[in-house]
Amino acid sequence: GQGVEQPAKLMSVEGTFARVNCTYSTSGFNGLSWYQQREGQAPVFLSYVVLDGLKDSGHFSTFLSRSNGYSYLLLTELQIKDSASYLCAVRDSNYQLIWGSGTKLIIKP
Amino acid sequence: EAAVTQSPRNKVTVTGGNVTLSCRQTNSHNYMYWYRQDTGHGLRLIHYSYGAGNLQIGDVPDGYKATRTTQEDFFLLLELASPSQTSLYFCASGRTGEGYTEVFFGKGTRLTVV
Repeated sequence: GQGVEQPAKLMSVEGTFARVNCTYSTSGFNGLSWYQQREGQAPVFLSYVVLDGLKDSGHFSTFLSRSNGYSYLLLTELQIKDSASYLCAVRDSNYQLIWGSGTKLIIKP
Repeated sequence: EAAVTQSPRNKVTVTGGNVTLSCRQTNSHNYMYWYRQDTGHGLRLIHYSYGAGNLQIGDVPDGYKATRTTQEDFFLLLELASPSQTSLYFCASGRTGEGYTEVFFGKGTRLTVV
């Protein structure tokens, strides 16, 4: 069946970096998006990737390998306010979004 | 300011009760969605619509009805609420582009069925 998998939790240190992984197995692929969800708030769109490789968006970068069904969101120069859950969503061949359960990123001082 | 507004923000009802969750978007998007979010399950699609009068079934539709009365308004109906429907509900609107669907979420409705 279709699925998008993310680790439940990730810990890192302020000023360093964090890589949030996402693996997927879906019926077709028409893009992958990343969302940030702060505690008690709604998800907010961050970025998307559709082609293989690294896409640099400043504080956030995203990587995609379609042959491996794998993406990651890289956050650099972490700040405490980056503490949030990060959701991965894959758009399948029917243009439906398949969501991962999210990775809760905990940043320590 | 473009937005998705949900009401109520919090609701407590009894088992067997009727509940209507309301959603209005000012984004002029064709697509609107109802999701529920539960710990360990992430976002699960209940129903969605791509225009007034249109309704599509999502992944977890049992126990829910939805109506899209206008481009702006999308409602979720629970006619016989059960404790398993206790959840955080998000309404959203969406726009599509080359390689992405960008979804704009409302602030959510926390529903408790006792």
